[in-house]
Amino acid sequence: AQSVTQLDSQVPVFEEAPVELRCNYSSSVSVYLFWYVQYPNQGLQLLLKYLSGSTLVKGINGFEAEFNKSQTSFHLRKPSVHISDTAEYFCAVSEHGGSNYKLTFGKGTLLTVNP
Amino acid sequence: EAQVTQNPRYLITVTGKKLTVTCSQNMNHEYMSWYRQDPGLGLRQIYYSMNVEVTDKGDVPEGYKVSRKEKRNFPLILESPSPNQTSLYFCASSSGLAGVPDTQYFGPGTRLTVL
Repeated sequence: AQSVTQLDSQVPVFEEAPVELRCNYSSSVSVYLFWYVQYPNQGLQLLLKYLSGSTLVKGINGFEAEFNKSQTSFHLRKPSVHISDTAEYFCAVSEHGGSNYKLTFGKGTLLTVNP
Repeated sequence: EAQVTQNPRYLITVTGKKLTVTCSQNMNHEYMSWYRQDPGLGLRQIYYSMNVEVTDKGDVPEGYKVSRKEKRNFPLILESPSPNQTSLYFCASSSGLAGVPDTQYFGPGTRLTVL
């Protein structure tokens, strides 16, 4: 069964600092990987996704993530954060070859950007 | 505008009083899903539907029912709500091309309180 671990429940950073949000997954087969963001009092929206091909994936708002199969990781990075990046970030995994589109989410990382 | 709508957005009810949360999407998506979000637990899938009349259990289906009689609608039914079903509920939809999970589009959420 697939599972996702987000190693940090909260990450406080100062504005313009770099940030990395960590995500590790577990699966016995190949996977698809996603990062979603939830701004306060809103639904989730997709930041980026890895389906195949290049392991470095670029998303919206200057975020990127790198798929590392040997370390079963998909960490999210941004070189310089803004106050507006304050939100909760969710990593999610879906297994290849499944008869459904089951998406398993991590517990989330709350990114707080301080001035 | 492409969107997923949920109603109601907020609901306070009492134990045992049947309720339905509606979900509708206008993107002609085959796949729809319900999640609940609880602090510290992330999103957990309740039920999902691959297409009309095709539904299956997610990770936490107990106490919930769903139906998919039309492609655009996927209501969530709580036959006899209990306080442990107090949560924030999200509906999501996506297209499902050739077995590859696509971006999930989330509704704005329904905050349910069961007294």
